[in-house]
Amino acid sequence: DTGVSQNPRHKITKRGQNVTFRCDPISEHNRLYWYRQTLGQGPEFLTYFQNEAQLEKSRLLSDRFSAERPKGSFSTLEIQRTEQGDSAMYLCASEGGTGSYEQYFGPGTRLTVT
Amino acid sequence: AQSVTQLDSQVPVFEEAPVELRCNYSSSVSVYLFWYVQYPNQGLQLLLKYLSGSTLVKSINGFEAEFNKSQTSFHLRKPSVHISDTAEYFCAVSEDGANNLFFGTGTRLTVIP
Repeated sequence: DTGVSQNPRHKITKRGQNVTFRCDPISEHNRLYWYRQTLGQGPEFLTYFQNEAQLEKSRLLSDRFSAERPKGSFSTLEIQRTEQGDSAMYLCASEGGTGSYEQYFGPGTRLTVT
Repeated sequence: AQSVTQLDSQVPVFEEAPVELRCNYSSSVSVYLFWYVQYPNQGLQLLLKYLSGSTLVKSINGFEAEFNKSQTSFHLRKPSVHISDTAEYFCAVSEDGANNLFFGTGTRLTVIP
């Protein structure tokens, strides 16, 4: 399967702990996106990379959130000092950047903060 | 600021009946429009998109959507639904020149046998 993969699929953590999620995009896709989806809502944009450069960040991305894509391939999203309000599904998507505007989504990482 | 409204959170419909899922958007610039589908326990998949050209776009599984600029709408239709169409459908918009997608809150389509 050459689709977008995300790990872990589920994460339960206690409030105040740090968590890190990983996204592996489709090979050679130079654009990578992170979204957050809460129950009953559509996905909300968090941040966007073109290759290794983080080009855009949403106001939703507080100082406790940081994302990296060090070699322009996989990406990590870290949440420090988690809060209960961080509980959500975190989605990663990649796009080829060829003008297709088609984002391919991974299965997501479900975070539960207790 | 752009926004996407999907007024119907749930749409039950009998098998082989027609269905329309409504989507309205607001934006001050040109937009690209998308419908994504999420089947139970699966990730989001692109169903169809409008970038430019013909305002009527179609998917391979019988869905179609029409971009109506004057009404700022991009409603999704299918003349005859199947059980397998049961899923959550998300309308999304991207402003021309931007990269991120703004999603609606989704419409859960349930096809009743």
